[in-house]
Order: sequence, then structure tokens, then C-alpha cells
Amino acid sequence: GENVEQHPSTLSVQEGDSAVIKCTYSDSASNYFPWYKQELGKRPQLIIDIRSNVGEKKDQRIAVTLNKTAKHFSLHITETQPEDSAVYFCAASPSSGNTPLVFGKGTRLSVIA
Amino acid sequence: KAGVTQTPRYLIKTRGQQVTLSCSPISGHRSVSWYQQTPGQGLQFLFEYFSETQRNKGNFPGRFSGRQFSNSRSEMNVSTLELGDSALYLCASSTGQGSGELFFGEGSRLTVL
Repeated sequence: GENVEQHPSTLSVQEGDSAVIKCTYSDSASNYFPWYKQELGKRPQLIIDIRSNVGEKKDQRIAVTLNKTAKHFSLHITETQPEDSAVYFCAASPSSGNTPLVFGKGTRLSVIA
Repeated sequence: KAGVTQTPRYLIKTRGQQVTLSCSPISGHRSVSWYQQTPGQGLQFLFEYFSETQRNKGNFPGRFSGRQFSNSRSEMNVSTLELGDSALYLCASSTGQGSGELFFGEGSRLTVL
């Protein structure tokens, strides 16, 4: 089955700097890669996702890149703000069929004002 | 449109007891997935129900079970509770058709003493 590794487990950045979180996956059949953000005491929420037919996707200050050959994908947050502080989870799943998402263990991002 | 509702939000049990958690998905969603969240372990998949049938199952012991009703509401049960079962249990609903966004509830926080 799929295995998703996520690094780093914790990340501290100064406000305004960029943050990068990296994930690797094991199943070459996976082609759907979402990222979820979980603020303290709240539910995880989807912030961006990418499918294997594209290499990069952007939404304002966040972007995700995908390298299918190397089986890794990354989340990039630019111009970080205190409200970006949260736990971020990457996940992977085949987009065909109905296989459940497999999540990484999460990255706790702290943005220091 | 109402979100995913989980009850109870908090509960305390002792070892050996059993517990039942409930999840009401977003109206029209036929898939309910359950995840266990513990510090450092991220979101671990328990099982998924679609149209009253268990469609996928994670690597948890048989003490963890679930079901789904005709109105898509789902319950999960944990029998013979162990200290290690203390966790936040999250349910997530989706359309269940291929891969797509999971909508999480706020979770049920179980403490086993």
C-alpha cells in the first residue's frame, strides 16, 4: 500500500519569509495529492491539491509542485503571516477508483512575528 | 449547507469499556471515512463506508468497527478500550466518487483512563 513521508515535522520561520514542506510517496499509481491545514483545535481543511497531469499549481501565496519521477511533492508558502501557523498534512491517493487518502504525519509550522 | 457533525465532542472512558462515536456527513455525501489522530502519528485511516457498505479498511484491530445507515450517518465503535486508544477521532465526508475533497468534522476527543 501507499506510504507517505513528510518533512520536516516542525518548522519555524520569520514572518514574511517562505516556508517549504516536502513529501514523498511510494505508490506510483498515486496521482492525487492534496494538502490540508489544521489550525489549533480546529478541523483539517483542504488548502490546495494537485493531480499528476500538472507539475505545479498556485493559489495566491501557496503553491504545490509535483515530481512524479522522483515521487515527491512540496508545498510552498510565500510571504508567511502569523495566521499561516498550523499543522499541515500532505496526502496521496490514486485519483481513479476509490482508494482512501494516505496522510503524512504532519508539519507544525510556526510563523514568528 | 451544514457541515460534518460529530458527537460527542469529548468523552472519558476507562480501560475495558466500549465507546460509540457518531458522524453526520454533509447532505448528499455518501462516503464517510474515519481517521484516528494522535500526536506524532498524523491521521491514520480506520475505515470508509459508502452506501452502507464498508469499502476500505485500515490496519486497526477488530476492536474498531463501524457502520453506516441509510441516511449516510455513520457510527464507529471501539470495544475493550485500551490506554493507547486515547486520540482525536475524525470523520470526513465526501461524494465518494473517485478522489476529491474530504470535509472533516471537528472530531471526538476520547480519553481512556
